[in-house]
Amino acid sequence: KQEVTQIPAALSVPEGENLVLNCSFTDSAIYNLQWFRQDPGKGLTSLLLIQSSQREQTSGRLNASLDKSSGRSTLYIAASQPGDSATYLCAVGYSSASKIIFGSGTRLSIRP
Amino acid sequence: NAGVTQTPKFQVLKTGQSMTLQCAQDMNHEYMSWYRQDPGMGLRLIHYSVGAGITDQGEVPNGYNVSRSTTEDFPLRLLSAAPSQTSVYFCASAGTGELFFGEGSRLTVL
Repeated sequence: KQEVTQIPAALSVPEGENLVLNCSFTDSAIYNLQWFRQDPGKGLTSLLLIQSSQREQTSGRLNASLDKSSGRSTLYIAASQPGDSATYLCAVGYSSASKIIFGSGTRLSIRP
Repeated sequence: NAGVTQTPKFQVLKTGQSMTLQCAQDMNHEYMSWYRQDPGMGLRLIHYSVGAGITDQGEVPNGYNVSRSTTEDFPLRLLSAAPSQTSVYFCASAGTGELFFGEGSRLTVL
C-alpha cells in the first residue's frame, strides 16, 4: 500500500532556528513530490515541487530534498520566523501525478 | 487570474439531503480532483479527472459522484448526505504536476 508519513506531527521551536521537516513514502516509484503550507481555516499553498528526476528545489529560505532510494524528502526552513507557523504537508504523486497521496502534516509553531 | 474557485464556502445539510459542491478553474488544467480533510486523517482523495469526460475513483469515493463535462468545471455531488460526510472539502487542479487548491468548502451534516 502506498503511504506517506510525516513525523513529528507537531513541532515548536524558537524564532531564528533552522529546522527540518520530514516526509517518508513507502513506494519509491514516484512521479513528483510537493510541499504545501496550510494556515488554519485556509486552503493549501504550494511551496515547492520536486520532479522525480530532481534531488532538490529551493525557494527563498526553503529547501526541499528528495531521496527516492530511501523513500524520503525533507523540507529545510532557514532562520525561522513566527510567520512560518502553519501546518506543512507533503504530497507524493504517482502515475503521472494522477494519483496523489498526502501525509498528515506537521504542525509547526515558531515562538517569538 | 482566479485560480481554483469553490462554492459554497459553508453549507449545513440534514441527513438525506442532496447537494453539489462546485469547483471551477481558469488555468486550462486537465487534471482536477476532490479531497476531504478530517482531523487526524489528513487529505484523502475522493475522485479525480484527467480531462473532460474522464473521471476515476480515489481512496474514499463512496457516497460521492462527479462528472467532468468541461475542462473548467468539476462538481462533486452528494446524493444522500450522511453525518460521516461532515468535513472540509478541497478541490485541486494541476497542469504540469503542480497542484493548486481552492479555499475549501466546510460541510456539516446534521
